[in-house]
Amino acid sequence: AQSVTQPDIHITVSEGASLELRCNYSYGATPYLFWYVQSPGQGLQLLLKYFSGDTLVQGIKGFEAEFKRSQSSFNLRKPSVHWSDAAEYFCAVSIGGSSNTGKLIFGQGTTLQVKP
Amino acid sequence: DGGITQSPKYLFRKEGQNVTLSCEQNLNHDAMYWYRQDPGQGLRLIYYSQIVNDFQKGDIAEGYSVSREKKESFPLTVTSAQKNPTAFYLCASSSPSSSRGGGYTFGSGTRLTVV
Repeated sequence: AQSVTQPDIHITVSEGASLELRCNYSYGATPYLFWYVQSPGQGLQLLLKYFSGDTLVQGIKGFEAEFKRSQSSFNLRKPSVHWSDAAEYFCAVSIGGSSNTGKLIFGQGTTLQVKP
Repeated sequence: DGGITQSPKYLFRKEGQNVTLSCEQNLNHDAMYWYRQDPGQGLRLIYYSQIVNDFQKGDIAEGYSVSREKKESFPLTVTSAQKNPTAFYLCASSSPSSSRGGGYTFGSGTRLTVV
């Protein structure tokens, strides 16, 4: 069955430090991958997406992610974290095949805490 | 500006009561979705609809019902059969051309609490 795993439930980093959030997926076909961010009590905002082509994708707020097919991973990175980046982050894969239902399957989420 | 509006933001339900969560979009998107969010479990798909007057069950449809009479609206009813309805509910939409191209647009959510 298709699934998305975010191994880290909670991560704490110091402001200015680099960040990497891990995401692994299980899906037989070429995946369509997304990272979303959620502030407390709010909806989800799209950070970036990967469909094809260059495996390193750039997103908003200085985030980037790299698709590694051999590792079934799509890790999110940021060189220097700001206090405003504290939030919950979700990795997701779109499934649907020929029917193009485009259902999003989400990981469990990673909560990022930023220390001053 | 186009977007998705969920109402109310907070909702309280008594035991045995049905409640309906509203979701309206003005993005002209064909597809709409309802997700339930619980701490540590991510988002789980309840129902989705690709076109008007048609919808499919997601992974956790039991105790919920939906309708899609208009393209803009996709209300979710939490029935008394849902034994643990306290959660954060998110509505989303996409169009067939954007579900892969742009991802989904999400509302701000409704927090439902059983009292």
